[in-house]
Amino acid sequence: NAGVMQNPRHLVRRRGQEARLRCSPMKGHSHVYWYRQLPEEGLKFMVYLQKENIIDESGMPKERFSAEFPKEGPSILRIQQVVRGDSAAYFCASSPRRTGGAQETQYFGPGTRLLVL
Amino acid sequence: GNSVTQMEGPVTLSEEAFLTINCTYTATGYPSLFWYVQYPGEGLQLLLKATKADDKGSNKGFEATYRKETTSFHLEKGSVQVSDSAVYFCALRKGAGNNRKLIWGLGTSLAVNP
Repeated sequence: NAGVMQNPRHLVRRRGQEARLRCSPMKGHSHVYWYRQLPEEGLKFMVYLQKENIIDESGMPKERFSAEFPKEGPSILRIQQVVRGDSAAYFCASSPRRTGGAQETQYFGPGTRLLVL
Repeated sequence: GNSVTQMEGPVTLSEEAFLTINCTYTATGYPSLFWYVQYPGEGLQLLLKATKADDKGSNKGFEATYRKETTSFHLEKGSVQVSDSAVYFCALRKGAGNNRKLIWGLGTSLAVNP
């Protein structure tokens, strides 16, 4: 069973360009989470999605950032008009479809390291 | 609000030394607690977890006990190896349902020398 896939692994953008980060959850998983790890900082939650629904976007910056998880295909984290402060590692995690519960575990992908020049 | 505090690193040990990485949390109710490990250049891997008070999570020689009275979840290993060199993150999850986000400590870097 393949793990969580993220691509690209490394992405370089110039200020003002758009960045698209992709995440394919583990097979059978229908919950996706995005986290950001800024240099010298811990991880911060960004958004929690289920298929075709955004469940919790309390960690998303109000502007330039958006996320989707369509019925078919990977989840996409999109950053418009990138700035140098967006340089970070972006991690995606997935978990199985359940009604919730303490046993749920989030499985992480290898991350996308975004560098904005 | 909910938060996680980890001891600051870096921690440097010799092989076969005893390891403790402290983690304390602030949360109401009964969160689930996790330790994740990040090896250089890689993503995060779940190391162990505990979902209720007095539970002990264990994996690969690492252990952590959920102590509600001290709001702690300290990570321990009796004899570290060079291959344990990594960054260790403590995290909590407050709820279930629509509130599943993980709240993270800042991470503790561990370097084990041969």
